Amino acid sequence: SAVISQKPSRDICQRGTSLTIQCQVDSQVTMMFWYRQQPGQSLTLIATANQGSEATYESGFVIDKFPISRPNLTFSTLTVSNMSPEDSSIYLCSVQAGPSNEQFFGPGTRLTVL
Amino acid sequence: GQQLNQSPQSMFIQEGEDVSMNCTSSSIFNTWLWYKQDPGEGPVLLIALYKAGELTSNGRLTAQFGITRKDSFLNISASIPSDVGIYFCAGNRYNFNKFYFGSGTKLNVKP
Repeated sequence: SAVISQKPSRDICQRGTSLTIQCQVDSQVTMMFWYRQQPGQSLTLIATANQGSEATYESGFVIDKFPISRPNLTFSTLTVSNMSPEDSSIYLCSVQAGPSNEQFFGPGTRLTVL
Repeated sequence: GQQLNQSPQSMFIQEGEDVSMNCTSSSIFNTWLWYKQDPGEGPVLLIALYKAGELTSNGRLTAQFGITRKDSFLNISASIPSDVGIYFCAGNRYNFNKFYFGSGTKLNVKP
C-alpha cells in the first residue's frame, strides 16, 4: 500500500480567494488523482495529475478553476481558485500502488467557503 | 457515462447481525474494490477483487466478483459498532486507470 498525507487537513476560506492543497506520497507512484466529495455524496474524479505534463480533467472540471501541479512522482498540488460556497467539499488525493494497482486515498482536506 | 448502482443506500441493524450490500454496473468491469469511510477520514481499502467469480475475505468481511463481471457484493458478518460508516464500491474497466464509484451504503449499528 501507499501512505498518503494531505495538507491542510481542513480550512475555512472567504469567497473569491484560492486555496492550494498538497499531497505527499511515501513512495513513487505513476498515477495520482484528485477527487471531490460533496457533503453526503460519493466521490467525483476531478482530474488525473500527470507527472511532467498537464493534468487530464474530467467533464465539468477545468484547469482555470482547479489548476494541478505534479512536479515529481511523490507530490502533487490542487488549487481551488476563486472559491464560492459551492466549492465547500472534501478534496481527496488518491494514488494507484501495489502489485495490482489498487487505489489508495489520503485523509482528505475539508474545505468550507463562507 | 459509466453508471454504478449501489444498494441499499442506508441500513440500520442490530449489533451481531449480518449485512449485505451490492453494486451493479452497466458495463463489464476488470476490477472491483470495496472501501469504508469513517466520518472526517478518507476511504480505506477493504477488499480488492480481480477475477470473475472470485470470493475474498478480510476478517468478518467477504466480497465477491460477480460471474457476469457486472456486479459485486460485500458481506459483513456479526456486525459490531465500529462497523459504522459509509461503504463504497468502485470498479474499473480493462485498460482504464479511472475507477468509478458507487453512491455508498451508510451502515448504522445499534449496540
